[in-house]
Amino acid sequence: DAGITQSPRHKVTETGTPVTLRCHQTENHRYMYWYRQDPGHGLRLIHYSYGVKDTDKGEVSDGYSVSRSKTEDFLLTLESATSSQTSVYFCAIGSLVGGTEAFFGQGTRLTVV
Amino acid sequence: SQELEQSPQSLIVQEGKNLTINCTSSKTLYGLYWYKQKYGEGLIFLMMLQKGGEEKSHEKITAKLDEKKQQSSLHITASQPSHAGIYLCGADIHGTASKLTFGTGTRLQVTL
Repeated sequence: DAGITQSPRHKVTETGTPVTLRCHQTENHRYMYWYRQDPGHGLRLIHYSYGVKDTDKGEVSDGYSVSRSKTEDFLLTLESATSSQTSVYFCAIGSLVGGTEAFFGQGTRLTVV
Repeated sequence: SQELEQSPQSLIVQEGKNLTINCTSSKTLYGLYWYKQKYGEGLIFLMMLQKGGEEKSHEKITAKLDEKKQQSSLHITASQPSHAGIYLCGADIHGTASKLTFGTGTRLQVTL
């Protein structure tokens, strides 16, 4: 398995509270991604990073922020959680340049009540 | 509308039968990935196709890329219960080689 770990794996939080999800890699990949997976929508890109302190928005970035202060960690923060952010969140690592593989973490199931 | 459309959305096949899943893009495909996801788990990389006409196989799974049709197909020969799960295609449709766009997935069930 690729060295990618997501934490926590499950979380229940209340509406309006901030939540931070962590993605940790040991593969030294330049690119890291956060996706959310919802029924009927598949996987949608939230944010991605192409290096330390270099990040960009994906297609569903509203309400989310990210930080990458070191190569191995990519944090996703829900600034004020809403019920619409109940989802399964996946982190991925890998560079598409040269056709290398992109590996996914095991996912974080987040429930906002 | 989805930039990547998968068909069918769900499929039930009898063990031993062959099946094909399609992934069609509304934009140019610069690279296409196939993943498998077991229910409630993460995505497992199956294979990646980059060039038009490219075909790759792994065990009983074969994937092809038709650049002109902007389409990829995933074919499973002699399906087994272990093939059950959700199959997702992801593609670089922006030509940036920096991010993947995914289809909504095909749910496969294999009956005995």
